[in-house]
Amino acid sequence: DGGITQSPKYLFRKEGQNVTLSCEQNLNHDAMYWYRQDPGQGLRLIYYSQIVNDFQKGDIAEGYSVSREKKESFPLTVTSAQKNPTAFYLCASSIGTGPSRTQYFGPGTRLLVL
Amino acid sequence: EDKVVQSPLSLVVHEGDTVTLNCSYEVTNFRSLLWYKQEKKAPTFLFMLTSSGIEKKSGRLSSILDKKELFSILNITATQTGDSAVYLCAVGPGAGSYQLTFGKGTKLSVIP
Repeated sequence: DGGITQSPKYLFRKEGQNVTLSCEQNLNHDAMYWYRQDPGQGLRLIYYSQIVNDFQKGDIAEGYSVSREKKESFPLTVTSAQKNPTAFYLCASSIGTGPSRTQYFGPGTRLLVL
Repeated sequence: EDKVVQSPLSLVVHEGDTVTLNCSYEVTNFRSLLWYKQEKKAPTFLFMLTSSGIEKKSGRLSSILDKKELFSILNITATQTGDSAVYLCAVGPGAGSYQLTFGKGTKLSVIP
């Protein structure tokens, strides 16, 4: 089955702790994205990557870091510098070329601060 | 700054009603407008619109884009309780060539 997987489903973070959210896709998509969703808000872009070993900051990158060492994987680290990390995190991917930029989403990770 | 505004923010209707959801946008380099349905978790793709005046249809859902007036509508006819969800509108590209700018969504509740 092709798709996007995110893990864990729920994640608890203690004060001062870095945590990493996993995102894997087997759709052979070039581009991958991380969004944050807060209640009553739209999706806000954290980081995106168009190709392996390259990524760009989105609108709210402060306190987050990413890597793109493999085409299939785009992990997101929420660092201790992110003071309000409680949110629903969505990973997405899209075909990098051609007329379609449709983004397909994973099931999400809900991050809670203890 | 790119902007996508959806209205209404929330809507409650009875089963069988027809609803129209609105999305207006201001982006620097418009390429496409997308509609997604978000139930509990991941948004699922509904439509992508790139050309003005061409209606996209899928069952009871349809959508049309007006590039001159910079808006799109999503229509749902004969609503069912399973249509209850948040409907998200997104426009791209944003600041980067692959970016989408999302609206806040319209929360639709369909009651029996």
